[in-house]
Amino acid sequence: EVQLLESGGGLGQPGGSLRLSCAASGFTFRNYAMSWVRQAPGKGLEWVAGITTGGGAWYADSMRGRFTISRDNWKDTLYLQVDSLRAEDTAVYYCGRETIFVSAWITIDYWGRGALVTVSS
Amino acid sequence: QVVLTQSPSAAASLGASVKLTCGLSAGHSNYAVAWHQQHPGKGPRYLMKVNSDGSHNRGDGIPDRFSGSSSGAERFLFISSLQSEDEADYYCQTWDAAIWFFGGGTKLTVL
Repeated sequence: EVQLLESGGGLGQPGGSLRLSCAASGFTFRNYAMSWVRQAPGKGLEWVAGITTGGGAWYADSMRGRFTISRDNWKDTLYLQVDSLRAEDTAVYYCGRETIFVSAWITIDYWGRGALVTVSS
Repeated sequence: QVVLTQSPSAAASLGASVKLTCGLSAGHSNYAVAWHQQHPGKGPRYLMKVNSDGSHNRGDGIPDRFSGSSSGAERFLFISSLQSEDEADYYCQTWDAAIWFFGGGTKLTVL
């Protein structure tokens, strides 16, 4: 069974940093690209960043610069580092396993349960 | 830039059927979309991909009560034999050149 378990959420200070982790199991992690998607309270889904199997990273334009996605294929773990935290970063952060169709079109076929990040002084 | 448009809410009776709509912005009418279901306080769940020709690929374990179709720049999620557990938010999503786009979501109420 595919499982994705986020951790590392909690209260962050404005201007501070926070690192989220996503532990993967039930599939061969190194064979899949992964993504982070966030959801502000009461709002919709917003893609944050993605990473290829080889470690190539992609970011939403609004996330570039303060967010760093990385992975450890030995530990089957995905990470998201968020620097210079802002109040508007308050959200539930989900990790997701990407699936690539033959047309090279991509979606997330498995999602984690999410980790809540609250940025407040 | 792709814009996906969804109605904020929909409602249908237990046991009935409902069709949710996701509209693609001009110039993107040939794009596929995925549908994701989200219950309150839970992570999303992938339902299916719907192609421009109306074909669809359901995710693992998704019952055939859920199906997809297309018409022009609109992609549809059809749910038949509505059950109480179908009450949730439904998001459409597409992808273009390493950029992801989500619709605003439709809150489905099962009456």
